[in-house]
Amino acid sequence: KAGVTQTPRYLIKTRGQQVTLSCSPISGHRSVSWYQQTPGQGLQFLFEYFSETQRNKGNFPGRFSGRQFSNSRSEMNVSTLELGDSALYLCASNTGVVGTTDTQYFGPGTRLTVL
Amino acid sequence: AQTVTQSQPEMSVQEAETVTLSCTYDTSESDYYLFWYKQPPSRQMILVIRQEAYKQQNATENRFSVNFQKAAKSFSLKISDSQLGDAAMYFCASTGANSKLTFGKGITLSVRP
Repeated sequence: KAGVTQTPRYLIKTRGQQVTLSCSPISGHRSVSWYQQTPGQGLQFLFEYFSETQRNKGNFPGRFSGRQFSNSRSEMNVSTLELGDSALYLCASNTGVVGTTDTQYFGPGTRLTVL
Repeated sequence: AQTVTQSQPEMSVQEAETVTLSCTYDTSESDYYLFWYKQPPSRQMILVIRQEAYKQQNATENRFSVNFQKAAKSFSLKISDSQLGDAAMYFCASTGANSKLTFGKGITLSVRP
């Protein structure tokens, strides 16, 4: 099976712009979660989507949003970029079956740099 | 709410020797899962080992094993016969009823040839 894929791998943006990141989960996985990794804050949970609905949400401002499509692919959007948004954004997928706790499998990440 | 603590920022081990990485956690949930992930310089997060809290038996995966002490809320990773490819950042993580992973700050492991 192909693993989790993320595009693009690298992005450079300027303050005030917006950005969209994409994640394709492992075939058959219906849950997609997003994490932000920075040297200062470590790994923080952004949100989880399952069957096109946001199921869980972390403690991030409304500038961070996401969506999931019927094929389980997910996009994450950050509007009005700030310097502090520079980070590695990781996407993870699992089956998401209710009542079970599946292992999450991660993609290679998108490195976002805000200038 | 869950918290995961990795108090050692760095460790070093000689090739072929054994090293233990420490992790403690706290959770209010009765059913939870614990993980160790490896993040090499490529930044790809790779699952090393997983432990279900309801299982008393410690998980093992080849050279990797855990020491799960539920009462002490401790979850350490032992790497036997360390190899150069084991050099990476290692994260301890927990999850409860939902899929949200809570991570520790990670430990950088270096392997000396």
